[in-house]
Amino acid sequence: EAGVAQSPRYKIIEKRQSVAFWCNPISGHATLYWYQQILGQGPKLLIQFQNNGVVDDSQLPKDRFSAERLKGVDSTLKIQPAKLEDSAVYLCASSGTSLPYEQYFGPGTRLTVT
Amino acid sequence: QKEVEQNSGPLSVPEGAIASLNCTYSDRGSQSFFWYRQYSGKSPELIMSIYSNGDKEDGRFTAQLNKASQYVSLLIRDSQPSDSATYLCAANTNAGKSTFGDGTTLTVKP
Repeated sequence: EAGVAQSPRYKIIEKRQSVAFWCNPISGHATLYWYQQILGQGPKLLIQFQNNGVVDDSQLPKDRFSAERLKGVDSTLKIQPAKLEDSAVYLCASSGTSLPYEQYFGPGTRLTVT
Repeated sequence: QKEVEQNSGPLSVPEGAIASLNCTYSDRGSQSFFWYRQYSGKSPELIMSIYSNGDKEDGRFTAQLNKASQYVSLLIRDSQPSDSATYLCAANTNAGKSTFGDGTTLTVKP
């Protein structure tokens, strides 16, 4: 079974530029998550989708971050404009919709904003 | 107070010893709990999930859950140098939303 796919793996941009990340979840997983992980901290949930709908985006900085999940499968996360403090690893995960909601992570995208 | 708290460590044990990792959570609505292992520069890898009180064993790993005390632990028996990593505890609400702790770094010394 293929795992969660993410691209790109690394990205370096200047502040105020825009960037987009892509995620393809495990086949059949209805729930998709985007996390931000800053060095030395645990992953912080940015947005959770179930199929096409948003379940939770309470920690998404909506003035600069946006995310969509078209057709309930692939998802993109965009940052525009980027700030220095956005430098982090962006992780995508997916899970089924029943207990225990085990989440499986993709390899992540390491973003550096200069 | 963070929703999920872990001892920051670092925790160091000799090879072959038992490593004990602890986690407490504040949301009594949490239904399922997870332990992830994260090697430096890699993404989190699921080790164990647990949602019933008591113990759950999988090979050298045992997860323990006590909902009354809002406490989750992970025991690693016969620790190996390859177990050296950061261990993340996570708690899920009934909506599947996960909150992660900041991790405990484990070093297993040969």
